[in-house]
Amino acid sequence: QVQLQESGPGLVKPSGTLSLTCAVSGDSISSSYWWSWVRQPPGKGLEWIGAIHHSGSTNYNPSLKSRVTISVDKSKDQFSLKLRSVTAADTAVYYCARDRSYCGSDTCYDYYGMDVWGQGTTVTVSS
Amino acid sequence: QSVLTQPPSVSAAPGQKVTISCSGSSSNFGNNYVSWYQQLPGTAPKLLIYDNNKRPSGIPDRFSGSKSGTSATLGITGLQTGDEADYYCGTWDGSLSRVFGTGTKVTVL
Repeated sequence: QVQLQESGPGLVKPSGTLSLTCAVSGDSISSSYWWSWVRQPPGKGLEWIGAIHHSGSTNYNPSLKSRVTISVDKSKDQFSLKLRSVTAADTAVYYCARDRSYCGSDTCYDYYGMDVWGQGTTVTVSS
Repeated sequence: QSVLTQPPSVSAAPGQKVTISCSGSSSNFGNNYVSWYQQLPGTAPKLLIYDNNKRPSGIPDRFSGSKSGTSATLGITGLQTGDEADYYCGTWDGSLSRVFGTGTKVTVL
């Protein structure tokens, strides 16, 4: 059974960097999937942040791209999110998820959806 | 902001049917597949439908999906109180960016 578990600080100061890690168990991060980060501000909908393939290829939400870095550590079967220059608008529940899409050079196809999700971790941006 | 539009809420009595629409554009739905997610209160989203109309193992056949052109629909029959949740559609946009719908709250009257 595949499980994902987010971890990281629950409080980040404005202008600081939000750093989260997602540990993968029951599967190898080197399998042919993408590994995504999604967030949900309080009372609002889902927002995709970005995704990484074990090859190191990344795709990012254009609205966050300038502040986001997603990386993978294959030796630990985990992937990480860094979001820089945070403000109160970045306060949200952050989820990691396994994404069974296929991505070519210019298109991704949502063949099998995001089928495994972590439980989510709340991050508050406040001084 | 989301590029996939859903109605904010739908409701029906127990045992009845509801449908949730998801409207996109040629840059996302035009040449791609849609997935649907159920988010029960206080929990993480859960995959409900993938590849437009397929159900993962364990999802009852009360849940169905369809896609036509630049829109998609999720149907729930035999509505139960346990179906009260937020539902989101999702796909990829042409800019190699995943997109979700605005979300629909299902209420069982």
